[in-house]
Amino acid sequence: AQKVTQAQTEISVVEKEDVTLDCVYETRDTTYYLFWYKQPPSGELVFLIRRNSFDEQNEISGRYSWNFQKSTSSFNFTITASQVVDSAVYFCALSEDSGNTPLVFGKGTRLSVIA
Amino acid sequence: NAGVTQTPKFQVLKTGQSMTLQCAQDMNHEYMSWYRQDPGMGLRLIHYSVGAGITDQGEVPNGYNVSRSTTEDFPLRLLSAAPSQTSVYFCASSKISSSYGYTFGSGTRLTVV
Repeated sequence: AQKVTQAQTEISVVEKEDVTLDCVYETRDTTYYLFWYKQPPSGELVFLIRRNSFDEQNEISGRYSWNFQKSTSSFNFTITASQVVDSAVYFCALSEDSGNTPLVFGKGTRLSVIA
Repeated sequence: NAGVTQTPKFQVLKTGQSMTLQCAQDMNHEYMSWYRQDPGMGLRLIHYSVGAGITDQGEVPNGYNVSRSTTEDFPLRLLSAAPSQTSVYFCASSKISSSYGYTFGSGTRLTVV
């Protein structure tokens, strides 16, 4: 069965610090997809990234970067030079097979960036 | 392009009452699903559908019914509300083989008293 673990329940950093959010997953499939979503205080869920299991290249998008390592079943998310607007709950999620099986979410990490 | 529309945004029910949470999408997405979000629990899947006429249960289906008569709509029915169903409910949709992940509605905050 698929499972996603986000061991960090809450993280607090000072603005401009770098922060890494951890995500460890479990799956028996060789084909799967990993996602990160952001939930700001307003409550909506915002898609950040999707990565398939055959693509281990790290991804960078502005201040955001993702490190996918199949050897450790991890898909960690780093925010560089954090800003107050980054304060949110971040969810990691996993979908097996074609990607159209349901997403299984981790319990989320609440990030607070203090000015 | 409205995306995924959920109604209502807020609802208070008495124990034992029934109601339907509405979800509609205008993106011609085949896949739709319902999640509930509770503090410390993340998002847990209630029911999902891979197309009109096809539904399946998720992790926490008890107390909820769904149907998918059209591609656009995926209502979630609470037959007899219980305080344990107090939660925030999210509807999501995606295209088959989408590279853009799920699109979520804005959520329905339900309180059962």
